[in-house]
Amino acid sequence: EVQLVESGGGLVKPGGSLRLSCAASGFTFSSYSMNWVRQAPGKGLEWVSSISSSSSYIYYADSVKGRFTISRDNAKNSLYLQMNSLRAEDTAVYYCARDPPLSAFDIWGQGTMVTVSS
Amino acid sequence: AIRMTQSPSSFSASTGDRVTITCRASQGISSYLAWYQQKPGKAPKLLIYAASTLQSGVPSRFSGSGSGTDFTLTISCLQSEDFATYYCQQYYSYPRVTFGPGTKVDIK
Repeated sequence: EVQLVESGGGLVKPGGSLRLSCAASGFTFSSYSMNWVRQAPGKGLEWVSSISSSSSYIYYADSVKGRFTISRDNAKNSLYLQMNSLRAEDTAVYYCARDPPLSAFDIWGQGTMVTVSS
Repeated sequence: AIRMTQSPSSFSASTGDRVTITCRASQGISSYLAWYQQKPGKAPKLLIYAASTLQSGVPSRFSGSGSGTDFTLTISCLQSEDFATYYCQQYYSYPRVTFGPGTKVDIK
């Protein structure tokens, strides 16, 4: 079964750090670009970051640039998001999503909740 | 950044209804448009990509159309499991994709 499973969310104080992980299974992880998308409580979807299959191309939304770092380990079939200098407005469910060529985000994880609060 | 708008923001419908949701892009995006369904507490599910291509496994009552700036998602005969929030997404400016604000379909 094709699957993405996020982990690493939790409660963190403003200014703190957190590292999210996304474990992939059921497909050739190293062949796909991957993304992080977030959704604040009761709000819509916001693209956060993208990484190409070989990590050659990395992109960030302006709202997280300089604070978040996306990475992947193809040997471990895993995607990561290192989040530093967290703010209250980063509070959201964070999803990882697979990104096939010539298509949209076809596989999503179940999400992991990040709450930034003192 | 390309802005996406959707209308209506929410509406009520009955099972068996034919429903249409509209999505508009702030600039032309060719056919680089996808539609997602999201139920409470769940991840989004891809329904349609390339404006009109049905994702594998998605029921044929879902259809999409449009190109350029104006797009529609149609559900031909609403089923109970279709009550959800629907989002459009442009990927013309890939990888900097943007989503519409969502349209919530609930039971009349």
